[in-house]
Amino acid sequence: QVQLVQSAAEVKQPGASVKVSCKASGYTFTSYNIIWVRQAPGQGLEWMGWISAYNGDTHYARNLQGRVTMTTDTSTSTASMELRSLRSDDTAVYYCARGETSTRMDYWGQGSLVTVSS
Amino acid sequence: QSVLTQPPSVSAAPGQKVTISCSGGSSNIGNSYVSWYQQLPGTAPKLLIYDNNKRPSGIPDRFSGSKSGTSATLGITGLQTGDEADYYCGTWDSSLSAGVFGGGTKVTVL
Repeated sequence: QVQLVQSAAEVKQPGASVKVSCKASGYTFTSYNIIWVRQAPGQGLEWMGWISAYNGDTHYARNLQGRVTMTTDTSTSTASMELRSLRSDDTAVYYCARGETSTRMDYWGQGSLVTVSS
Repeated sequence: QSVLTQPPSVSAAPGQKVTISCSGGSSNIGNSYVSWYQQLPGTAPKLLIYDNNKRPSGIPDRFSGSKSGTSATLGITGLQTGDEADYYCGTWDSSLSAGVFGGGTKVTVL
């Protein structure tokens, strides 16, 4: 069965960086994109961007460009999302999802809470 | 402020029907497929509807989707207590060159 297992929760100080990982299993990793979505406490979903697990192409949301980098490691079927220069409003649960298209996400990870606080 | 507009909440009694609207524009819903997601409390979202009206395997036919022009609608019939959740519409926005979601609608079973 398809599974996406994400890394554990993290607490970071403002200005630091965080890297969230997402290990996929149960399907051919390189046949799908990985999409990242975040959700601030009590708020709705925010689309962050996607990466092609086939060739590494990326597409980021404009408000995150310059601060976010998405990567994949096909040898371990793992996707990662690094966010730099963290601010308090980056506090959120970060989800990875398997993407059949840029916005059709059929399987989701369990989420990774990132708390930015001094 | 979300690009796609959904009502904050809808409610109905068990067994009844609810519909959730998702309003957008020509750069998003008007030109792209719409997906719908269900988020139960404390869990990750789950794909309910894709390509406007298609259901993934395992999703009961109590859930349906439709699209007309720049709006989309999710319908839930035979409402159950287990349907209490937040529901989000999502699509691609060609002007923003990004995926966009509605603000979410909380469904309450009375």
